[in-house]
Amino acid sequence: DGGITQSPKYLFRKEGQNVTLSCEQNLNHDAMYWYRQDPGQGLRLIYYSQIVNDFQKGDIAEGYSVSREKKESFPLTVTSAQKNPTAFYLCASSIPSGILSEQFFGPGTRLTVL
Amino acid sequence: DQQVKQNSPSLSVQEGRISILNCDYTNSMFDYFLWYKKYPAEGPTFLISISSIKDKNEDGRFTVFLNKSAKHLSLHIVPSQPGDSAVYFCAAWLAGKSTFGDGTTLTVKP
Repeated sequence: DGGITQSPKYLFRKEGQNVTLSCEQNLNHDAMYWYRQDPGQGLRLIYYSQIVNDFQKGDIAEGYSVSREKKESFPLTVTSAQKNPTAFYLCASSIPSGILSEQFFGPGTRLTVL
Repeated sequence: DQQVKQNSPSLSVQEGRISILNCDYTNSMFDYFLWYKKYPAEGPTFLISISSIKDKNEDGRFTVFLNKSAKHLSLHIVPSQPGDSAVYFCAAWLAGKSTFGDGTTLTVKP
């Protein structure tokens, strides 16, 4: 049963603390992505990785960090430098190529910073 | 500068009628365009896509039209069903990543 898992579904943290969001996929996809969604807005790209041990900043990378040590895993750390971290975070994966690649999304993690 | 825009935040239609969701883009280099459907507190799911070299793609009740000269695409759902009620995101693909619009909330009334 292939798919993308994100845990936990809801996460609460105190202001000033770093927090790491988990994203795991067993679809054998090369590419993985992190998006952030705020109310009434679309998905904004935080970081993406086309291959293991390589990743690139997206449109809103400030205050976030990632690692891609394994093909299956792409954890996102929300650091204390992120000024407004409360949001819904979505992880996605795809098969990168020159041809169209639809993205498969996880169920999301709602992070609330108190 | 938002490269992908969905100018209608919401749309309400009657069951059985046509739903038309619109999307405009600014970058003529986008290779593909995709539509995703999203329910609250869930991740989006892929609906349908179209290559930039095509002007129409159909899949069951869903048809996407692309007008490159106008940098405009639309998603038609015929007939609309109450289960289609969700947020629909338009996305444009280039160089291995997608740029998303802000979404349109579709409500299909029974």
